[in-house]
Amino acid sequence: EPEVTQTPSHQVTQMGQEVILRCVPISNHLYFYWYRQILGQKVEFLVSFYNNEISEKSEIFDDQFSVERPDGSNFTLKIRSTKLEDSAMYFCASSEGPGLAVEQYFGPGTRLTVT
Amino acid sequence: GENVEQHPSTLSVQEGDSAVIKCTYSDSASNYFPWYKQELGKGPQLIIDIRSNVGEKKDQRIAVTLNKTAKHFSLHITETQPEDSAVYFCAANPGYSTLTFGKGTMLLVSP
Repeated sequence: EPEVTQTPSHQVTQMGQEVILRCVPISNHLYFYWYRQILGQKVEFLVSFYNNEISEKSEIFDDQFSVERPDGSNFTLKIRSTKLEDSAMYFCASSEGPGLAVEQYFGPGTRLTVT
Repeated sequence: GENVEQHPSTLSVQEGDSAVIKCTYSDSASNYFPWYKQELGKGPQLIIDIRSNVGEKKDQRIAVTLNKTAKHFSLHITETQPEDSAVYFCAANPGYSTLTFGKGTMLLVSP
């Protein structure tokens, strides 16, 4: 069964450093997402991406965040200058395409720890 | 924006009992309501979903009901098993690409 994969599973970084989280969405999916989950809290939407551009973003997704699809398979989230409060699980998700009521499938997540 | 409330935050049942988790939403434009199961250290896994043109959907031991007038939807698990123990999240899609999640329910099924 196709699945979303993410690397690394755990990333430790120092405050102020840049990190790149990587995702490989399901191969025939066209819509990609990043969500985050702070420990013990609910999953929060960050950004959606379609046709090589951002479709929507939340207020969390400020100028320190960026997303990119550098090739035909990877989808990345970059955090330019990490803060302590960026420590969270980051989930990538994908869906078949744009449109209403489309199932989103999540990857296993990357745990980001900022020290 | 959409706001999703989920109750209870924790639910303990005996194996074989039923479990019910309830969610309410605020945006009447929401038309898609998925439920996710999250096991420790893993990502959310889609287990069932319902669209606004349907009032109930069932898949083996899992069922979801939707009341659009009252803006609430519920997950029902019958004949619970220890492997059902996990955190369950409801979510709503208000017609665009994002999902708004509830805060989650930790379900504990005791043998």
